[in-house]
Amino acid sequence: AQKVTQAQTEISVVEKEDVTLDCVYETRDTTYYLFWYKQPPSGELVFLIRRNSFDEQNEISGRYSWNFQKSTSSFNFTITASQVVDSAVYFCALSRSNRDDKIIFGKGTRLHILP
Amino acid sequence: DAGVTQSPTHLIKTRGQQVTLRCSPKSGHDTVSWYQQALGQGPQFIFQYYEEEERQRGNFPDRFSGHQFPNYSSELNVNALLLGDSALYLCASSPAASSGANVLTFGAGSRLTVL
Repeated sequence: AQKVTQAQTEISVVEKEDVTLDCVYETRDTTYYLFWYKQPPSGELVFLIRRNSFDEQNEISGRYSWNFQKSTSSFNFTITASQVVDSAVYFCALSRSNRDDKIIFGKGTRLHILP
Repeated sequence: DAGVTQSPTHLIKTRGQQVTLRCSPKSGHDTVSWYQQALGQGPQFIFQYYEEEERQRGNFPDRFSGHQFPNYSSELNVNALLLGDSALYLCASSPAASSGANVLTFGAGSRLTVL
């Protein structure tokens, strides 16, 4: 069975601090995809990144970076120099294939960036 | 370019009633998935429609049914509403014939309250 665990329910940091959101996943598949989505107060989930199980390279996109480690089944997300606009709920998610829309989400981490 | 649009945005029903939620996918997308997001939880997969047929289904009872129309828009129907059906219902679309088929574009959701 597939499972995604986000142990941090809620995090608060002061603006400009760095923050890391943890994600641990479980799957028996050798091929799988990992995602991060952002859900602002408006409710609409916004896609941030997709990673396949064969690509363990870390990725950086502006202030966002992702660390994928198969050895620990983790896919952590770091925001550098956080801003108030980063306040949202962040979801880590997992799917079996690139043609499988059934995505398993974690329970999310609510991030508060304090001015 | 309009994204995924959902209607209504909010609605209130009483136990035992029936509800229909509507979704128009992003232009160029032909696959529609529905997710239920209870308060404080991650989205849970209900079902997915492609070529007007239900292609996958999550662990939801038969009270949840759907439909996809030739223009790719979709409806989610829930019969015999229970208090536990109160949630944000999210529609997501994606292009089936693409390596990005599991990169979902979400709508802002329909918030259903059952009294």
